[in-house]
Amino acid sequence: GESVGLHLPTLSVQEGDNSIINCAYSNSASDYFIWYKQESGKGPQFIIDIRSNMDKRQGQRVTVLLNKTVKHLSLQIAATQPGDSAVYFCAEIDGNKLVFGAGTILRVKS
Amino acid sequence: ETGVTQTPRHLVMGMTNKKSLKCEQHLGHNAMYWYKQSAKKPLELMFVYNFKEQTENNSVPSRFSPECPNSSHLFLHLHTLQPEDSALYLCASSQGESLSYNEQFFGPGTRLTVL
Repeated sequence: GESVGLHLPTLSVQEGDNSIINCAYSNSASDYFIWYKQESGKGPQFIIDIRSNMDKRQGQRVTVLLNKTVKHLSLQIAATQPGDSAVYFCAEIDGNKLVFGAGTILRVKS
Repeated sequence: ETGVTQTPRHLVMGMTNKKSLKCEQHLGHNAMYWYKQSAKKPLELMFVYNFKEQTENNSVPSRFSPECPNSSHLFLHLHTLQPEDSALYLCASSQGESLSYNEQFFGPGTRLTVL
């Protein structure tokens, strides 16, 4: 039969606007979460992480928010730039393994 | 760029071929990983090596055979693959095996096509 690929959600934003990428995780016992960025032709690159005892962490132009009540993670990118165009993955620690989400495509329009 | 290199970057092979993927890390890390990234599933962990010892085999079929001769090199030997094994194979390394708070650095991947 015909193969079916993952249908990744796509977020299109205007250059200079803020971006918010969302992720739902499954394991309420997960205590560590990571956001990765994957550009075309490259492997995933670490952006920012957060422990479960925190609900917010800020980096350079990026902020991660964690809502353990609803098992939701978000990545906020301020003043989005064309170089931010990529696929963004959240990952959670399950036991001793990283479990990745399907990813979100971010497209930045100039 | 990340300190993790992979060769070849692209590989096309038939189902009866034997080939190997190579990964090398220049970061002095102790743990190395193989991941599979396909069009149908999220990124999946395949194998973990810590100080050259395999510590995780995530139910990977035996047609994939990893080898870790030292902490800097990791191989994935391929034999009798199926078309559904076509994917991007990513290698990563980290300072220690414990994933909590140990950032993994990924290589660029090998794009494998099985005909």
